[in-house]
Amino acid sequence: GENVEQHPSTLSVQEGDSAVIKCTYSDSASNYFPWYKQELGKRPQLIIDIRSNVGEKKDQRIAVTLNKTAKHFSLHITETHPEDSAVYFCAASMGGGADGLTFGKGTHLIIQP
Amino acid sequence: DVKVTQSSRYLVKRTGEKVFLECVQDMDHENMFWYRQDPGLGLRLIYFSYDVKMKEKGDIPEGYSVSREKKERFSLILESASTNQTSMYLCASGVGQINTGELFFGEGSRLTVL
Repeated sequence: GENVEQHPSTLSVQEGDSAVIKCTYSDSASNYFPWYKQELGKRPQLIIDIRSNVGEKKDQRIAVTLNKTAKHFSLHITETHPEDSAVYFCAASMGGGADGLTFGKGTHLIIQP
Repeated sequence: DVKVTQSSRYLVKRTGEKVFLECVQDMDHENMFWYRQDPGLGLRLIYFSYDVKMKEKGDIPEGYSVSREKKERFSLILESASTNQTSMYLCASGVGQINTGELFFGEGSRLTVL
């Protein structure tokens, strides 16, 4: 089955700086890559996703890039705010297959004021 | 507004007890999922279902079973709870081609097995 590795496990940045979280996946058949944000004590929520037919997607301060050849994708957050502090999960799936959505272990992003 | 409701936020059970975790969604979604979340391990898929009475094993199905008798309801069953099943359990639902659409999560059920 799919295996998703996520790094770093903890990331601390100064408010206003950028944050980058990286994930690699193992199955070249995977074609859907969402990112979820989980604030403390709350449920995970989708913040952005990308499909394998595009290399980059942007939504205001958040962007995701995908390198299919290298089998890695990254989340970029610019101009970080304190409310960006949360645990972020990447995930991958083959879509239409029977294996389900496989998540990385998560990155705890801390925004220092 | 999208809503996924898990029946119990906190449960404490004893080893060997049978445990039912209920999940209801009001969005008419075809797909429903059960994950468990443990510190440092992320979210791991236990079971999922893409239709009534249909179920598929996820990555860690051992010790669990599921039931989907109605489209809106997906139940997770621990036939004989063990201490290593102490965890946060998250239910989710989604639409579209399986695994390629947004998942909507419930608040979670924190289970402690003594």
